[in-house]
Amino acid sequence: NAGVTQTPKFRVLKTGQSMTLLCAQDMNHEYMYWYRQDPGMGLRLIHYSVGEGTTAKGEVPDGYNVSRLKKQNFLLGLESAAPSQTSVYFCASSSPGHNYNEQFFGPGTRLTVL
Amino acid sequence: GQSLEQPSEVTAVEGAIVQINCTYQTSGFYGLSWYQQHDGGAPTFLSYNALDGLEETGRFSSFLSRSDSYGYLLLQELQMKDSASYFCAVSGNSGYSTLTFGKGTMLLVSP
Repeated sequence: NAGVTQTPKFRVLKTGQSMTLLCAQDMNHEYMYWYRQDPGMGLRLIHYSVGEGTTAKGEVPDGYNVSRLKKQNFLLGLESAAPSQTSVYFCASSSPGHNYNEQFFGPGTRLTVL
Repeated sequence: GQSLEQPSEVTAVEGAIVQINCTYQTSGFYGLSWYQQHDGGAPTFLSYNALDGLEETGRFSSFLSRSDSYGYLLLQELQMKDSASYFCAVSGNSGYSTLTFGKGTMLLVSP
């Protein structure tokens, strides 16, 4: 039982390049989330999904797109990376009901945009 | 608007008790959660309060007062391994299934 995994762990991009971050969970959770964490800013929600084939915008969605084609996977895309997107990205998953408050996080992806 | 306020840093010594406060002002509210994060690693869930009162889980307790929009995390018998960042998070502010996190409190435990 791996829990929540994220790939890659580290990435350096040049401004304007694109990339996709992959999140996978093996807990059969309905809900999945993408956050970014910047120094002194806490965790901010980018996009989330309450089920396969559904996505919704969070607090800071601009510059990102997501897809949830399979229940266990949640992809975060950067179409044209900008230095402001340098951050640590965390994926999380949870179950419906009050249990959605207990989110299980992946180890994070450290992204630098030059 | 929305805001969660918690102290940026708290220091304590081993064996002591420390309280980390969180006040919130959000457009919706279902409950207050607490998470722990060591050295920028994966945050881990500690507790959740939906109703007023104290919830105890081992050395950690969490309290909520909905009328005061206030909660706290109480850590007893502090250990060095408790040095970490602690985040409060509100559910219900932005969609039923989402959390809005505070900026975190860094707890430093010294010998």
